[in-house]
Amino acid sequence: NAGVTQTPKFQVLKTGQSMTLQCAQDMNHEYMSWYRQDPGMGLRLIHYSVGAGITDQGEVPNGYNVSRSTTEDFPLRLLSAAPSQTSVYFCATQQSAEGRLGQYFGPGTRLTVT
Amino acid sequence: AQSVAQPEDQVNVAEGNPLTVKCTYSVSGNPYLFWYVQYPNRGLQFLLKYITGDNLVKGSYGFEAEFNKSQTSFHLKKPSALVSDSALYFCAVRPDTGRRALTFGSGTRLQVQP
Repeated sequence: NAGVTQTPKFQVLKTGQSMTLQCAQDMNHEYMSWYRQDPGMGLRLIHYSVGAGITDQGEVPNGYNVSRSTTEDFPLRLLSAAPSQTSVYFCATQQSAEGRLGQYFGPGTRLTVT
Repeated sequence: AQSVAQPEDQVNVAEGNPLTVKCTYSVSGNPYLFWYVQYPNRGLQFLLKYITGDNLVKGSYGFEAEFNKSQTSFHLKKPSALVSDSALYFCAVRPDTGRRALTFGSGTRLQVQP
């Protein structure tokens, strides 16, 4: 039982490049979300999904796209990377949208955009 | 809109002494409140939650938190700090109905000195 996995662990991009951050879970959780963590700002929600085929925007969605074709996977796409997207990205899951049991976080992807 | 304030960037405490990490929140309706801990280069780990019921909530690693509705606070406490408790702590809130995305505070770094 791997829990929540994220790949890659580290990535360096040039401005304007695109890439996909992968997130996978094996807990059959309905709810998945993407956060970015910046110093002094806590975690900010980018996008979330309450189930396969359903996604919605969070607090800071601009510049990012998501899709949820399966329960297990929730990739985050950067369409045209900008230095402002340099951050640590965390994927999180919870058993249901109700979220009474809290969230499980992946180990993170550290992204640098030059 | 919901919000969380963690007024202290850092809390320093000697090993064996009690510790408190402060959190106040603002949310429409009844709150679901959470504490998470983050160790260096790791994702967040769930510590404890308040959904309903007793105002004193016990969680992992000997931590507890007290929900105070009148003061809209949810302070994290531990009777006797350990050096291994040194980490970054996040408080989070979401409403019990409606949009159920978590809002995180900016984090408090706990440093326990031997």
